[in-house]
Amino acid sequence: SYELTQAPSVSVSPGQTARITCSGDALSKQYAYWYQQKPGQAPVVVIYKDSERPSGIPERFSGSNSGTTVTLTISGVQAEDEADYYCQSADSSGSYQVFGGGTKLTVL
Amino acid sequence: EVQVVESGGGLVQPGGSLRLSCAASGFTFSTYWMSWVRQAPGRGLEWVANINQDGSAKYYVDSVKGRFTISRDNAKNSLFLQMNSLRAEDTALYYCARDRPANLYYYYGMDVWGQGTTVTVSS
Repeated sequence: SYELTQAPSVSVSPGQTARITCSGDALSKQYAYWYQQKPGQAPVVVIYKDSERPSGIPERFSGSNSGTTVTLTISGVQAEDEADYYCQSADSSGSYQVFGGGTKLTVL
Repeated sequence: EVQVVESGGGLVQPGGSLRLSCAASGFTFSTYWMSWVRQAPGRGLEWVANINQDGSAKYYVDSVKGRFTISRDNAKNSLFLQMNSLRAEDTALYYCARDRPANLYYYYGMDVWGQGTTVTVSS
């Protein structure tokens, strides 16, 4: 079955830039989506279609795609950005969805 | 207000069955794919199944194929997940999520989630 690979954790100091990557063979064919999940809350979309930002999401959140790896970048990290971040995409057929294992962002 | 509300979770013995429901409101339910996503305690998100607008296409993660059935009732703006032959590893918080619209130009990801319903499989 298809898998998306994320690093388990990333740590940055406030004001620095956090980069969270997600790798998968089909990412060159299928869009990626990024979700932020804080403890006890449902996930929230922060990036859709690789690099688009939904309304209401701060401009410090951005996304990019370099073939089989997509990256969520948070510029000028704030304490409130501490959360789990998940990438989501589909297999090459587009029929089966999959989430990455998640990356815990810690703001030092 | 656009929202989905899950219900039907509970404690069930291994091998038992449970039917989850998701009530949608505030949007045209019949024009969206819908998904079930679960999260085991302390673990990540796992997509479970999705269904297209008229129920003619359904897809499942390998681990639930043959045991779970997703369905919908567009007249009642409701989504369902029938779970049979439940196992301990099915223990999780189950979320209902709005998925793709008919026009993918307007797809912003799974953008509407409920608060989830908890399923515990234990003897």
